[in-house]
This record gives sequence, structure tokens and C-alpha cells, in this order.
Amino acid sequence: GIQVEQSPPDLILQEGANSTLRCNFSDSVNNLQWFHQNPWGQLINLFYIPSGTKQNGRLSATTVATERYSLLYISSSQTTDSGVYFCAARKTAGNKLTFGGGTRVLVKP
Amino acid sequence: GAGVSQSPSNKVTEKGKDVELRCDPISGHTALYWYRQSLGQGLEFLIYFQGNSAPDKSGLPSDRFSAERTGGSVSTLTIQRTQQEDSAVYLCASSLAAGGRTDTQYFGPGTRLTVL
Repeated sequence: GIQVEQSPPDLILQEGANSTLRCNFSDSVNNLQWFHQNPWGQLINLFYIPSGTKQNGRLSATTVATERYSLLYISSSQTTDSGVYFCAARKTAGNKLTFGGGTRVLVKP
Repeated sequence: GAGVSQSPSNKVTEKGKDVELRCDPISGHTALYWYRQSLGQGLEFLIYFQGNSAPDKSGLPSDRFSAERTGGSVSTLTIQRTQQEDSAVYLCASSLAAGGRTDTQYFGPGTRLTVL
């Protein structure tokens, strides 16, 4: 099946800093999503982005499907950005999302 | 409208007992998925329902696990003769349909299962 790898596994930021999270996937995809898992375990949709670039407030994401990677940018980080960020991909003609191992982000005040 | 809901939010059971976990998808969503999140294992796919098609059960870890979806809406995941390794958070997701922009999956809050 498809492999999804995220880096870095852990990230500690000072409030106000910018950061980039990376997601590599091993096959062509027709669905790629970024999620934020909050401290209560809820998976919150950030982006549906199988290709291209999207922005939502301080967050933006870019997927380069031909090179099989996606990036999530966090700008002017806040303590509420803390949590685990997951990338999940579904290969073309597949059903399931395959999740990466996540990046655990801690934003310190 | 309401998001995906799951019940119970927490379930503690004894080894060997059967459990049922429930998922109510977003109204109108035809696709429904079950995943589980174990400590140190990440999120793994269990089963997928799409409309009236036969479900994709390829992720179920053993024959003790089964799921059904009645009337194309509510789904129940059943684990028989629970084992300690079944302890995990079971997550349900739904999407409007499979394929394209309607394939965005929305997740429920999960059921935390603890098998003693």
C-alpha cells in the first residue's frame, strides 16, 4: 500500500515563530488531507489538498503531486496551535486514507 | 449541521466481553469509514462503506471485528471476545461521496476503548 511519512516527528516553537511540516507519500494520490488533533483527541480538518496551494488564516498548505510531497506552513504560531498534525493520503482508486505518523507540535508562550 | 457523532465516548470492558461502538455520520454522507488509533501505532484503517456497495473490510485485524451499516446511515462496529490489544481510540469518519472534492473525510470524536 501507500506509505506516508511525516517530518519532523516533534517540533518545539516559541510563540510567534513560523514553521514548515513535511509529508512525503509513495504513490500517486487523489486525496490528501491535513488534520490537527487537539489535546482532546478530536481530528480537525485543516486542508483537502491533493494538489496545489491553499491558505486559511495563518495556515497554508502546498502539495506537489508529481514529486509526491505536501507541506504545511504555520505562521505566527500560537499556543493553541499545539497538538499533533497528521497528513493522510489516499492513493488513486483506493478507499482508505493512510495516515503518516504525525508531527507533535508544542508552542511555548 | 451536526458533525459525525460517536457513542459511547468511553468504554471500559473486561477481556473476553463483546462491545458495540456506534457512529452517526453527517446527514447525507454516503461514505463511512472506521479507523483506530492505538498508542504507538498511529491511525489505521479498519473498514469502509459506500452506499449499497459491499464494504471494504481489508483493514479489519481479525474475525472478531465486524461492522454493519443499517439504512445507509448509522454504523455499528462490534468487537467480540475483546483482548487487551484491542484497547485504542476508535474513530469514525464520513464523506459526501467517494472521489473528488466530495471525498473530504470528517472525523467524529472517537470512542476510547479500554480492555482490562
